[in-house]
Amino acid sequence: EDQVTQSPEALRLQEGESSSLNCSYTVSGLRGLFWYRQDPGKGPEFLFTLYSAGEEKEKERLKATLTKKESFLHITAPKPEDSATYLCAVQADGGYNKLIFGAGTRLAVHP
Amino acid sequence: DSGVTQTPKHLITATGQRVTLRCSPRSGDLSVYWYQQSLDQGLQFLIQYYNGEERAKGNILERFSAQQFPDLHSELNLSSLELGDSALYFCASSPGPTQIKPQHFGDGTRLSIL
Repeated sequence: EDQVTQSPEALRLQEGESSSLNCSYTVSGLRGLFWYRQDPGKGPEFLFTLYSAGEEKEKERLKATLTKKESFLHITAPKPEDSATYLCAVQADGGYNKLIFGAGTRLAVHP
Repeated sequence: DSGVTQTPKHLITATGQRVTLRCSPRSGDLSVYWYQQSLDQGLQFLIQYYNGEERAKGNILERFSAQQFPDLHSELNLSSLELGDSALYFCASSPGPTQIKPQHFGDGTRLSIL
């Protein structure tokens, strides 16, 4: 069964303290891996798509990487406005376009 | 702003009732997806429509149904509501039925069953 697991469940950082969020996946065939950010009371906001192992994408303080079994979202020198829940999702072969989501990592960045 | 519009933002109703949630996709997107987000289950795929036709079904209950209209907006109908149906319901859209493109989400409808 296709599955996505994110760790840690929650992460507390001081402003400027870099860290990484992990997303491990088990799918029959990976079509794409997606990272989203979700703020309280809002829908998931698209951040990155990764398609194949070795691929990397960057946006401001965020960098996403992909291996054959997992993806990392690296946050460099985070600011309080980076506080949110970060969701990882995969599209798998034979699954049409449905996204299979992990439970998310709740990130809190304190000044 | 993702460009996906969902109404209403909040809905409070009682067990046994029926409600309709509405979604307008981003301009140019033909695929619409519905997801349910609850505290214990996370985001779960319910159903996908493409250009008016059902394309894929997830763990959608028989009490739930959806449709996509010629103007591409979609409605999710929930009937015989139970306490466990309380959740956030999100709509997302993407350009085509099978392309590996990101789905863009609306801000959801929060459904509370009393």
